[in-house]
Amino acid sequence: DAKTTQPNSMESNEEEPVHLPCNHSTISGTDYIHWYRQLPSQGPEYVIHGLTSNVNNRMASLAIAEDRKSSTLILHRATLRDAAVYYCILRGFDGSGNTGKLIFGQGTTLQVKP
Amino acid sequence: NAGVTQTPKFRILKIGQSMTLQCTQDMNHNYMYWYRQDPGMGLKLIYYSVGAGITDKGEVPNGYNVSRSTTEDFPLRLELAAPSQTSVYFCASSYSYATNEKLFFGSGTQLSVL
Repeated sequence: DAKTTQPNSMESNEEEPVHLPCNHSTISGTDYIHWYRQLPSQGPEYVIHGLTSNVNNRMASLAIAEDRKSSTLILHRATLRDAAVYYCILRGFDGSGNTGKLIFGQGTTLQVKP
Repeated sequence: NAGVTQTPKFRILKIGQSMTLQCTQDMNHNYMYWYRQDPGMGLKLIYYSVGAGITDKGEVPNGYNVSRSTTEDFPLRLELAAPSQTSVYFCASSYSYATNEKLFFGSGTQLSVL
């Protein structure tokens, strides 16, 4: 399974933009890049995903490098409720043609300061 | 829709006891997953299922068993509880195997084995 690398932690000030980086140099051509976040004492929740083009939704934006070896999750105006662990995950087909093995790394812990 | 529902929320077991963690989803999803999360760590995949009657091992299956007799339910069985199984367990589901499909997570079961 292709792996991702994220910084262990980041800090941001409230109402400022946050850029969370992710490296995935071994990504394959069919792997989608997914982002999830986990608020304290809760299960992970979906944030955004993309393949090649940049993506926007109500929660965030995803910027994908042209070579797809890295991506950046952008929170446009961080709030205290955005303090969470953010996971960057690649989802693709394994050698058996299955996609069930969604592998989480340790993620980036985002601290938002008032 | 309730989404993914896990029971119980908390449980304390003695070494050697057995129990079943329940997971049910009402979204008619084919794929279901069990993850465990140790303190300060990311999620590790225990087992997953691509449909009723079909299950497969994830990263850390030892000490666990699963079954999938219906689309809605995916229980996780611990036969001989050990302290190493102290963790938070998350169940998740997704509609299909498509690599652009997002996962929906339950709120977790916190298990302590003493």
